[in-house]
Amino acid sequence: QITLKESGPTVVKPTQTLTLTCTFSGFSLTSDGAQVAWIRQPPGKALEWLALIYWDDDDRYSPSLRTRLTITKGPSENQVVLQMTNMDPVDTARYFCVHGAFWGQGILVTVSS
Amino acid sequence: IVMTQTPLSLAVTLGQPASISCRSSQSLVHRDGDTYLTWLHQRPGQPPRLLLYQISHRFSEVPDRFSGSGAGTLFTLKINRVEAEDVGVYYCMQTTQTPWTFGQGTTVEIK
Repeated sequence: QITLKESGPTVVKPTQTLTLTCTFSGFSLTSDGAQVAWIRQPPGKALEWLALIYWDDDDRYSPSLRTRLTITKGPSENQVVLQMTNMDPVDTARYFCVHGAFWGQGILVTVSS
Repeated sequence: IVMTQTPLSLAVTLGQPASISCRSSQSLVHRDGDTYLTWLHQRPGQPPRLLLYQISHRFSEVPDRFSGSGAGTLFTLKINRVEAEDVGVYYCMQTTQTPWTFGQGTTVEIK
């Protein structure tokens, strides 16, 4: 079965860079058509799509966050990493990684000094 | 693409039907001919789960009281007879083109 799990720091300071890792099982990101997305949800608010990486290493980003985001595969074959620079308290949210119909549980990241 | 849901909240009597609308600012028909409109359900403290994909296809183990319809820019999620476990927030989402976008969410509660 397909599972995804997000890991990384739960607290970061303003201006720091956030690095989150999605570790997945049950599918291969090298298979044609495969993709993994990152989506976030501030507390009590709606969902916001951040970034997407495809099996062929093509990637897409939210236009409003494009300059701050980097999505990459690795370091293991079953991992995807999201980096977000210059974190701000408004970036406090639960961050989810998603493959098709399948969502991780998410990781709550709080930005606070 | 802006996704607009109505209503934003809904109080329903158990066993009664419920309906949520979702309108997109442009057509969700992909160049491949399919329409990538998805409905998600999120219970408090849980990640969203997929209910319907491509407008009307129920995902695995989704009860058949959930149905989806629509085309182009207007879509509807219907719950035939609301049960207690159906409370939570419902989101429409388009993945026809990036950036993927979501509706604001509709909160369903039991009267």
